[in-house]
Amino acid sequence: GENVEQHPSTLSVQEGDSAVIKCTYSDSASNYFPWYKQELGKGPQLIIDIRSNVGEKKDQRIAVTLNKTAKHFSLHITETQPEDSAVYFCAASMSSSNTGKLIFGQGTTLQVKP
Amino acid sequence: EAGVTQSPTHLIKTRGQQVTLRCSPISGHTSVYWYQQALGLGLQFLLWYDEGEERNRGNFPPRFSGRQFPNYSSELNVNALELEDSALYLCASSLGEFLFGNTIYFGEGSWLTVV
Repeated sequence: GENVEQHPSTLSVQEGDSAVIKCTYSDSASNYFPWYKQELGKGPQLIIDIRSNVGEKKDQRIAVTLNKTAKHFSLHITETQPEDSAVYFCAASMSSSNTGKLIFGQGTTLQVKP
Repeated sequence: EAGVTQSPTHLIKTRGQQVTLRCSPISGHTSVYWYQQALGLGLQFLLWYDEGEERNRGNFPPRFSGRQFPNYSSELNVNALELEDSALYLCASSLGEFLFGNTIYFGEGSWLTVV
């Protein structure tokens, strides 16, 4: 069935360290993988996304890697800052058919300690 | 440019009542999505509207319904409210179908509490 597993559920790092969040998906036909950051009391904010024809994408301190063979993708945040503290969600499109549906992971609560 | 806007931001309803939530997509966006984010359950896909038509719905009972208007705004209706309907209801929009290279942007959500 359709499923996205996200790990870890919580992550605590020191300011300046790197943070890595990993997700695995079940549908080999999935081809769109966005990452969202959700701060307390707010809606999810897109921070980066990647499509299946690309293995890696970077935007300043944030990078995403995709391994289609292993069906997993990861979010990398370097030089973390206290304002990076939030809940991060990965998501995957459901199959190659046009369903308009994203399957979300359960979220990772990232805490960056000053 | 304004993002996805939703109203109301917070509301409290009694079990058995009906509620309507509203969403205005980003200007120019024709696709609107609704998600439910219940505590501890992550984001669950509810509905997808594109060009005024319902294109897909998630695994929710028929008392969850909605529509999209000619100006691409949308509303979500929930009838016969149950306690477990308490959640953050998120609306999102995209320029077109996201599988065609478009990105989905979320609003801030409507917090619904059913008592």
